[in-house]
Amino acid sequence: QITLKESGPTLVKPTQTLTLTCTFSGFSLSTSGVGVGWIRQPPGKALEWLALIYWDDDKRYSPSLKSRLTITKDTSKNQVVLTMTNMDPVDTATYYCAHSWERCSSTSCYYYGMDVWGQGTTVTVSS
Amino acid sequence: EIVLTQSPGTLSLSPGERATLSCRASQSVSSSYLAWYQQKPGQAPRLLIYGASSRATGIPDRFSGSGSGTDFTLTISRLEPEDFAVYYCQQYGSSPPKFTFGPGTKVDIK
Repeated sequence: QITLKESGPTLVKPTQTLTLTCTFSGFSLSTSGVGVGWIRQPPGKALEWLALIYWDDDKRYSPSLKSRLTITKDTSKNQVVLTMTNMDPVDTATYYCAHSWERCSSTSCYYYGMDVWGQGTTVTVSS
Repeated sequence: EIVLTQSPGTLSLSPGERATLSCRASQSVSSSYLAWYQQKPGQAPRLLIYGASSRATGIPDRFSGSGSGTDFTLTISRLEPEDFAVYYCQQYGSSPPKFTFGPGTKVDIK
């Protein structure tokens, strides 16, 4: 059974750096095709994808936030860490991590979706 | 950069009715990278459909996905009380490489 859980501060001040940890079980982030992504949702608003790291350490970032985001993995600890610099009140949101996987052949890839999500962690940015 | 538009914004229906939700992309997307999610208040999203038309594990067969190119549809054949929620489509595009969620369609009780 795959589970993921987000952890980190609930309150950060403007201009601070946010560090969130996703601790997972039930899969290995060294397995081909596996990824862990971060998604956020401001109160009452839509989902926004932030970043994703793949089993081979390939990383993808939201272009609009790329300069502020860093995603890393620690396979031995079964953790993925997201850092976001220069936090602002508009970054107040629930932050989720999710398991994803895809299968690629020599010519194409097939994406199986973000099939398991953590419960989310709420982060408020305020002085 | 691909933008996803979902319509309608809100769909008011009664239990037992059929729901048809639309997701339109600003340019052609790979069906292999089109997914649908359901989200209820206070809960994390749940994967319903991947590859535009494949149901995720445990998803009832009243949920179906279809479409290709720029137009995709999620259909709920007969609404159950637990289906009233917000539905998001998601795609992955390669230029630039990023995932995108649509703005969501809320299905509420009429």
